[in-house]
Amino acid sequence: GAGVSQSPRYKVAKRGQDVALRCDPISGHVSLFWYQQALGQGPEFLTYFQNEAQLDKSGLPSDRFFAERPEGSVSTLKIQRTQQEDSAVYLCASSLVRSRNTEAFFGQGTRLTVV
Amino acid sequence: SQQGEEDPQALSIQEGENATMNCSYKTSINNLQWYRQNSGRGLVHLILIRSNEREKHSGRLRVTLDTSKKSSSLLITASRAADTASYFCATGGNAGGTSYGKLTFGQGTILTVHP
Repeated sequence: GAGVSQSPRYKVAKRGQDVALRCDPISGHVSLFWYQQALGQGPEFLTYFQNEAQLDKSGLPSDRFFAERPEGSVSTLKIQRTQQEDSAVYLCASSLVRSRNTEAFFGQGTRLTVV
Repeated sequence: SQQGEEDPQALSIQEGENATMNCSYKTSINNLQWYRQNSGRGLVHLILIRSNEREKHSGRLRVTLDTSKKSSSLLITASRAADTASYFCATGGNAGGTSYGKLTFGQGTILTVHP
């Protein structure tokens, strides 16, 4: 596709419910990132994939958060037993290569509201 | 955790004026990037400056980097109403650290350009 696509754009979940957020990166992009952005804050790193391998999950806030990219393209971020503090915009980004000095392309995000 | 701090937190100017935003960071970096975010288009990459560069230009954008002071500035010249957005600096890759482009964002500057 033309850019990084995320779905759904908006999700309202009741506390305790499980949610799954999807990211379709730009075709052929090796690197995929998930970020969490709280209201009024900058994005914070959650996890990184190089192809299908999850090389860094140091930013995942708890074991309720799980991410996968089984075929090295589409990725899913799953949050189990959602809590109110999980309310945020979840951003996915991809880049063509594994490199520090490369531009990341972001999707428009999924706004999760836990009620 | 947030790497950098931007100032001002909010900036309001008239169309045609220049806008300057500053970013400070704490650890050594490989590069520093600026992103723009508005509700319509999500996070968009503006410019990347490497740690061995001091100044970079792209259209109406001018970025400076002072690694001795751990600071950067973004200048937007001849601003337009369409420049209204939040602007974030992000540091990429600590020297000797990750090689895959993990970004650490500041908290952002909200720029409003009045027609």
